[in-house]
Amino acid sequence: AQRVTQPEKLLSVFKGAPVELKCNYSYSGSPELFWYVQYSRQRLQLLLRHISRESIKGFTADLNKGETSFHLKKPFAQEEDSAMYYCALIISGAGSYQLTFGKGTKLSVIP
Amino acid sequence: DVKVTQSSRYLVKRTGEKVFLECVQDMDHENMFWYRQDPGLGLRLIYFSYDVKMKEKGDIPEGYSVSREKKERFSLILESASTNQTSMYLCASRPGQYNQPQHFGDGTRLSIL
Repeated sequence: AQRVTQPEKLLSVFKGAPVELKCNYSYSGSPELFWYVQYSRQRLQLLLRHISRESIKGFTADLNKGETSFHLKKPFAQEEDSAMYYCALIISGAGSYQLTFGKGTKLSVIP
Repeated sequence: DVKVTQSSRYLVKRTGEKVFLECVQDMDHENMFWYRQDPGLGLRLIYFSYDVKMKEKGDIPEGYSVSREKKERFSLILESASTNQTSMYLCASRPGQYNQPQHFGDGTRLSIL
């Protein structure tokens, strides 16, 4: 069965410092990976997906199939980045769909 | 913009009560989901539905049931609420197309006393 691991429950960084939120997955096929973010008192929302290879709010994430990782990175953390971040793996095909979330990492950016 | 609306932000019920959590989406999405979110455990899937009147058990279905009589509405039912069902409940929907992400509601914080 597929699994998503976010090894850090809490990550604290200073404003302006680089951020890396780790995500590792276990799945033998070709995965679809996403990062979701939940700001305080707001709904869970999609941040980015690996197939679009875009940068959202300064965040990027590259799929590394060799290391089975999809780490989320930002070169300079901002206070407004403080939030809960979830990595998610989707497997879908004809008539099936499965989404697995990691347990989340709480990012705290210290002013 | 996708709108997923959960009927209550906060709900307080008593042990043994039958509890209904309602979720409505306005984008004609085929798939709908119910999760519970607990600190340190992340999101855990309770039930999901591929289409009207169809339902599938998720990872933690015990103590819950669901109803999907109309495409836009997906209800989560706690048959006899217990204190260990105190949690944040999140509803989500997505189109049926390949690998589309889910869109979430604001959540319902349910307290069982």
